Amino acid sequence: GEKVEQHESTLSVREGDSAVINCTYTDTASSYFPWYKQEAGKSLHFVIDIRSNVDRKQSQRLIVLLDKKAKRFSLHITATQPEDSAIYFCAVASSGQKLVFGQGTILKVYL
Amino acid sequence: GGIITQTPKFLIGQEGQKLTLKCQQNFNHDTMYWYRQDSGKGLRLIYYSITENDLQKGDLSEGYDASREKKSSFSLTVTSAQKNEMAVFLCASSIWGTNTEVFFGKGTRLTVV
Repeated sequence: GEKVEQHESTLSVREGDSAVINCTYTDTASSYFPWYKQEAGKSLHFVIDIRSNVDRKQSQRLIVLLDKKAKRFSLHITATQPEDSAIYFCAVASSGQKLVFGQGTILKVYL
Repeated sequence: GGIITQTPKFLIGQEGQKLTLKCQQNFNHDTMYWYRQDSGKGLRLIYYSITENDLQKGDLSEGYDASREKKSSFSLTVTSAQKNEMAVFLCASSIWGTNTEVFFGKGTRLTVV
């Protein structure tokens, strides 16, 4: 089945800098790639997604890039703020309506 | 908007015990999921139910049973709790279809003593 590898387990950035989290997947047929955020003590919530018919999507300070050839996608958080500190999960929609998640990246934004 | 309610929030069980976790959603979503979250391992799918009368195994179904009692509720049973097991179980729901946002509950934290 689909496997998703999230490459950064932790990431520390200075406030105002950019943060990049990278994920790779195995199934070439995958077509939907969402990102979720989990703040301390809370559950996951959706932040942004990208579908396979585009290679870039932006929502305010969040940019998602998709490289289908390399089976890789990434989340870029620009102008980071302390409230961006959280665990970020990438996910891939696999066959049979399943979301397969990466292992999560702990992002810390320091002053 | 809607909400996903998981009960209980905390569950302490004994080794070998059968434990049931419950989940209710008022989104009127067709599809519901149970995930297990372990530190450093992301979320792993245990069971999911695409529609009201459906039940599908995920990658981690061994040791668990699930039941979709009605459209709004989905329960998970740990058939025999393992000693020193500690994890958070997350219930989620979405409308039918693969490219849709999934909404999560706040989780049930399980500790087995």
